[in-house]
Amino acid sequence: AQRVTQPEKLLSVFKGAPVELKCNYSYSGSPELFWYVQYSRQRLQLLLRHISRESIKGFTADLNKGETSFHLKKPFAQEEDSAMYYCALRANNAGNMLTFGGGTRLMVKP
Amino acid sequence: DAGVTQSPTHLIKTRGQQVTLRCSPKSGHDTVSWYQQALGQGPQFIFQYYEEEERQRGNFPDRFSGHQFPNYSSELNVNALLLGDSALYLCASSSGLAGDHEQFFGPGTRLTVL
Repeated sequence: AQRVTQPEKLLSVFKGAPVELKCNYSYSGSPELFWYVQYSRQRLQLLLRHISRESIKGFTADLNKGETSFHLKKPFAQEEDSAMYYCALRANNAGNMLTFGGGTRLMVKP
Repeated sequence: DAGVTQSPTHLIKTRGQQVTLRCSPKSGHDTVSWYQQALGQGPQFIFQYYEEEERQRGNFPDRFSGHQFPNYSSELNVNALLLGDSALYLCASSSGLAGDHEQFFGPGTRLTVL
């Protein structure tokens, strides 16, 4: 069975500082990894997926199969980045089933 | 398009009761997945419906059941409620089963079991 771990429940940084939200996974096959974000009073929404290899709102994430990690990074945090971030994994032949991590709350202080 | 909608927004039940939650998918979507999100945790997959059939199921007991209607809307039923069933229940919709398309989440139904 697959598992996603986000070791930090809370990450607090100052505006303009770099941000790295950690995500580690365990899965024997070749997974697809996602980052979802939930802003205050909004619904969960997709931020980025590793296969698209694009930067969204300045965030990037690289799948490291050797370290089984998919950390989310942004060079300069903005106050509007404050939100809950969830890392998720989709296993091979799993259709739409996502396995989520426990989430990290990012707080960007002015 | 209002996106994925869920009803009710909040619900309070007592142990042993039964509850039905409802979900309407985003326009053009035909696949509905349900997730349970306990306080302080990430969403956990319950099951998925496509063409009115349960296609995949997570590690949840048979007390959790569902249904999909011809218009693609879906219901989640939970019988013999336990205190531990208190959670936010999320519905997500997408197009098809392959997983290639983005899932869109609803706002959730907050269930409290007393």
